[in-house]
Amino acid sequence: DAGITQSPRHKVTETGTPVTLRCHQTENHRYMYWYRQDPGHGLRLIHYSYGVKDTDKGEVSDGYSVSRSKTEDFLLTLESATSSQTSVYFCAIKKGLDTEAFFGQGTRLTVV
Amino acid sequence: AQSVSQHNHHVILSEAASLELGCNYSYGGTVNLFWYVQYPGQHLQLLLKYFSGDPLVKGIKGFEAEFIKSKFSFNLRKPSVQWSDTAEYFCAVKKGAGSYQLTFGKGTKLSVIP
Repeated sequence: DAGITQSPRHKVTETGTPVTLRCHQTENHRYMYWYRQDPGHGLRLIHYSYGVKDTDKGEVSDGYSVSRSKTEDFLLTLESATSSQTSVYFCAIKKGLDTEAFFGQGTRLTVV
Repeated sequence: AQSVSQHNHHVILSEAASLELGCNYSYGGTVNLFWYVQYPGQHLQLLLKYFSGDPLVKGIKGFEAEFIKSKFSFNLRKPSVQWSDTAEYFCAVKKGAGSYQLTFGKGTKLSVIP
């Protein structure tokens, strides 16, 4: 496995509460990504980072924010969780632009 | 916007049958292509990748894929599947130089019957 740790692995939260998911890597890779996986939709990119404090939006960024204050950590925050954000969230890292992505184990988030 | 199409949502095969999963993409320029596999309850793992060179790419566990530029396709093949190949398979595409984003297809679920 590529030295990626996601926490928590499972979380149940109530609608309207803020939630932060953490992705931690030990590979010193520059690029980090947050995806959500939903049945029938595959993986969709939420946000990505191309360096410390350098982030950008993906295709499904509404309702999410991210921060990357150091190379090893990429945080995903749901400002006010909604039931539509119930999903499995995967973090991925890449060493370079033209290299493969390695995925974390995922976080299963349920918003009730 | 770039899109990736996987035509088969669910494929059911008997052990020893041959497999071919289709993947087409919409971007016309240089691309990097990937197939990932997700076993039940696990994260995505790389099966194989194409960046340049020989369009027939061999990956792990006996899988291979062929890049056909004229057809914008990158189909995954295996001559003889095993029960342990039961998983979901995702095709992914990244535009060539300078792009950060990796776009995934919706996935194909493969069920192999013993």
